[in-house]
Amino acid sequence: QKEVEQNSGPLSVPEGAIASLNCTYSDRGSQSFFWYRQYSGKSPELIMSIYSNGDQEDGRFTAQLNKASQYVSLLIRDSQPSDSATYLCAGPNTGFQKLVFGTGTRLLVSP
Amino acid sequence: DGGITQSPKYLFRKEGQNVTLSCEQNLNHDAMYWYRQDPGQGLRLIYYSQIVNDFQKGDIAEGYSVSREKKESFPLTVTSAQKNPTAFYLCATTDRANYGYTFGSGTRLTVV
Repeated sequence: QKEVEQNSGPLSVPEGAIASLNCTYSDRGSQSFFWYRQYSGKSPELIMSIYSNGDQEDGRFTAQLNKASQYVSLLIRDSQPSDSATYLCAGPNTGFQKLVFGTGTRLLVSP
Repeated sequence: DGGITQSPKYLFRKEGQNVTLSCEQNLNHDAMYWYRQDPGQGLRLIYYSQIVNDFQKGDIAEGYSVSREKKESFPLTVTSAQKNPTAFYLCATTDRANYGYTFGSGTRLTVV
């Protein structure tokens, strides 16, 4: 069973700083990863997908995948209080039948 | 608009009752999933279905049942055998897991 692990946090950063969220995984065959943002009481929302080694940028968000070291990270530049949420990392299991989720990292951005 | 509709948004269950949570999608996705989330916890997979008339147990299937009679619908029944059903239930769909999921807005179930 593939595992995806995240630090539960909370990770606290001041407004305007870069928030760095990390995720490690056990399955060397993993090809793609996803970052979801979940506000308290709401359902997860897909914010970034990454399918190859390296960086994938979308606005203030950058996802990084390092297959050799088996980690995925999400950088949030110019963090805003509205970024305060739990961030879930996920990757498909072997056979691509389902996603395996980490337990999530809670991010707190203080004004 | 394409999307996933979960209903009801809030559901209250008495001890010993079975209740059914609805999940309907018009995204034309083949695969559908049910997850449970407890406060401050991650997502735990209950059941999933990759095709009509077929479904598989997830990690915590005991006390739950599902059906997949139509591509668009994947209802979840929480039976009286589920002793601690209070949680946030999320339905998700995808074409393939390596494309990521789309989630519904969730159903919050409370035992009264």
